[in-house]
Amino acid sequence: KAGVTQTPRYLIKTRGQQVTLSCSPISGHRSVSWYQQTPGQGLQFLFEYFSETQRNKGNFPGRFSGRQFSNSRSEMNVSTLELGDSALYLCASSLGDGPATDTQYFGPGTRLTVL
Amino acid sequence: AQSVTQLGSHVSVSEGALVLLRCNYSSSVPPYLFWYVQYPNQGLQLLLKYTSAATLVKGINGFEAEFKKSETSFHLTKPSAHMSDAAEYFCAVTISGTYKYIFGTGTRLKVLA
Repeated sequence: KAGVTQTPRYLIKTRGQQVTLSCSPISGHRSVSWYQQTPGQGLQFLFEYFSETQRNKGNFPGRFSGRQFSNSRSEMNVSTLELGDSALYLCASSLGDGPATDTQYFGPGTRLTVL
Repeated sequence: AQSVTQLGSHVSVSEGALVLLRCNYSSSVPPYLFWYVQYPNQGLQLLLKYTSAATLVKGINGFEAEFKKSETSFHLTKPSAHMSDAAEYFCAVTISGTYKYIFGTGTRLKVLA
């Protein structure tokens, strides 16, 4: 079974631009979560989608948005990029049943550099 | 709100020595706790998780963790470190119905020959 795939793997943008990252979950998984990983901060939760609905979101400004399509693929968008947005963005997929029986599987991440 | 604290951003052990990575959690309701490992340029891989079925949880690669409610801890241990264990380790917590995982800041494990 193919794992979680994220595209692109690397991205360089300049301040003020916008960016869209893509995540394809494991086949059959309906939940996709997004995280921002920076040195010293660990992983910060961005949002979680299940069957095209956002079920929870983290404490990020409105410049960060996401969506999920009917095939469970998800995208996240960051508008008006700032230098502090440079990070590794990870997505994780799961069945979405809840932590008692579910497991999150992570993709390799997209490395975003903002110049 | 839930939170986790990982004590020690860097830990070094000799090959063959005990590995102990510390994680303390905060949660007002029964939590689900996880340990993940991240190798360079890769995503996170689940090592083990606590779901209240048993306080001592065994995971992959010889790792285990014990849930101690009185100490609000979920420390990760391995009896004998191997060079291949060098990686970054993350503790995480969630509760039912939130669909939100809170991660610690990570502990980078270095294994010395």
